[in-house]
Amino acid sequence: DAGVTQSPTHLIKTRGQHVTLRCSPISGHKSVSWYQQVLGQGPQFIFQYYEKEERGRGNFPDRFSARQFPNYSSELNVNALLLGDSALYLCASSLGVTALNQPQHFGDGTRLSIL
Amino acid sequence: GNSVTQMEGPVTLSEEAFLTINCTYTATGYPSLFWYVQYPGEGLQLLLKATKADDKGSNKGFEATYRKETTSFHLEKGSVQVSDSAVYFCALRSNQAGTALIFGKGTTLSVSS
Repeated sequence: DAGVTQSPTHLIKTRGQHVTLRCSPISGHKSVSWYQQVLGQGPQFIFQYYEKEERGRGNFPDRFSARQFPNYSSELNVNALLLGDSALYLCASSLGVTALNQPQHFGDGTRLSIL
Repeated sequence: GNSVTQMEGPVTLSEEAFLTINCTYTATGYPSLFWYVQYPGEGLQLLLKATKADDKGSNKGFEATYRKETTSFHLEKGSVQVSDSAVYFCALRSNQAGTALIFGKGTTLSVSS
C-alpha cells in the first residue's frame, strides 16, 4: 500500500506570493495533520482535519489555512509568504482522531523556499 | 504547557558503540510517548512508542522506557551501525491537546565505521 504522498516535493516562491501544498493520506486513514519543520528544529503542529472538519490548530497566523476533501486528501494554503515560511512542510495521516496510541504516518514533505 | 526536551547534538559514535539519547517531557495527564527518526531528505518514520508508565517500546534494536517518576523516555541501542546515522526526535501526544504531536528539537546521530 502507498504511504502518505505529498506534492510538490520542492517549491520556490517569492515574498508576498501564495502557495498550495497537497497531501494524500494512507488508504483508509481519515485524519490528516500538517506540520512545519524549520531547518534544525522539530516539527511544529499547524492543523489537524478529520472527516473534513478542523479538529485542531496550532499557533500559526491566519495566513495559514487548510481543508480536507471527501476523499480525505488535504491542501495547506499559505498566503502573503514571508521569508520565515521557508521550511519543510510535513503531512501525517492516522486512522482517527481520538485514540492516543494511534501512530501518525508521515510523508516525505514539501520543501518550500522563499526568496 | 506541554513540551519535550532532548539532549543537544550532534552525537558522534563509532560503529558498535552504545547509544543513549536523553528525552524528558512536561505534560498534563498521561501522554503517549514516541521516538521518530528522520533520514536525510526524508520525512519522519515512527521508531517506537509507549502509551503508559513503565511500558517499553522497542524496534530495530532500539529501546525506550516510559518513566513517569522521572518524566523521561530515553532512547538506547546497544550497538549502533553506520546506517543508524539520522536525526532522532522525541515526541509526545497528550489527551489534552488532541492528537497533535509535540516534538523535541531533534538529536543528530553520526556513526562512523
